[in-house]
Amino acid sequence: GAVVSQHPSRVICKSGTSVKIECRSLDFQATTMFWYRQFPKQSLMLMATSNEGSKATYEQGVEKDKFLINHASLTLSTLTVTSAHPEDSSFYICSARDGQGNNSPLHFGNGTRLTVT
Amino acid sequence: GENVEQHPSTLSVQEGDSAVIKCTYSDSASNYFPWYKQELGKGPQLIIDIRSNVGEKKDQRIAVTLNKTAKHFSLHITETQPEDSAVYFCAASTSGTYKYIFGTGTRLKVLA
Repeated sequence: GAVVSQHPSRVICKSGTSVKIECRSLDFQATTMFWYRQFPKQSLMLMATSNEGSKATYEQGVEKDKFLINHASLTLSTLTVTSAHPEDSSFYICSARDGQGNNSPLHFGNGTRLTVT
Repeated sequence: GENVEQHPSTLSVQEGDSAVIKCTYSDSASNYFPWYKQELGKGPQLIIDIRSNVGEKKDQRIAVTLNKTAKHFSLHITETQPEDSAVYFCAASTSGTYKYIFGTGTRLKVLA
């Protein structure tokens, strides 16, 4: 089955530093990947859609200069949290669609728990 | 835009009993409805999905039903086991947007 790998699984950083999270599709190519944020005991909130070879599309209220997304290849998208603050602490999850069209299954990575001290 | 409501938020059942989780959606253009299981500290895993041209789909102990007229769909788990304990999310995918709108989640506890 389709596998999405996310790294790191946990990261602790100091306020003001930047953190990069990688999302890879291991056995399929993904022209589009999605980045979600999940607060404790809450649902998944879509942050942005990452498009291979073009700019990411951000959801309303998500600062694109704070959450930099790069999708340089068909199997890798990265999310960089810049100048992190404690309120950025959260569970970040990436996903990728295996196949074309909106009726293709979305497969998720195992998430990255970011703690900003 | 699409809105997905999910009930109940928590559900406790005895091992061996059935569990039912219900979701309603607002956009009649939605045509794909997946269900995800999320265990603590992990990403959501797809467990079953249904497309709008089908009314019911079953995979062993898990089934999903869809009522397009009423705009609701349900997850049914029979013969529940302790390892079914997790948070379950429904989602709706709206044609043309490629986005999933998730429900608020149901925390299922299967008591041994």
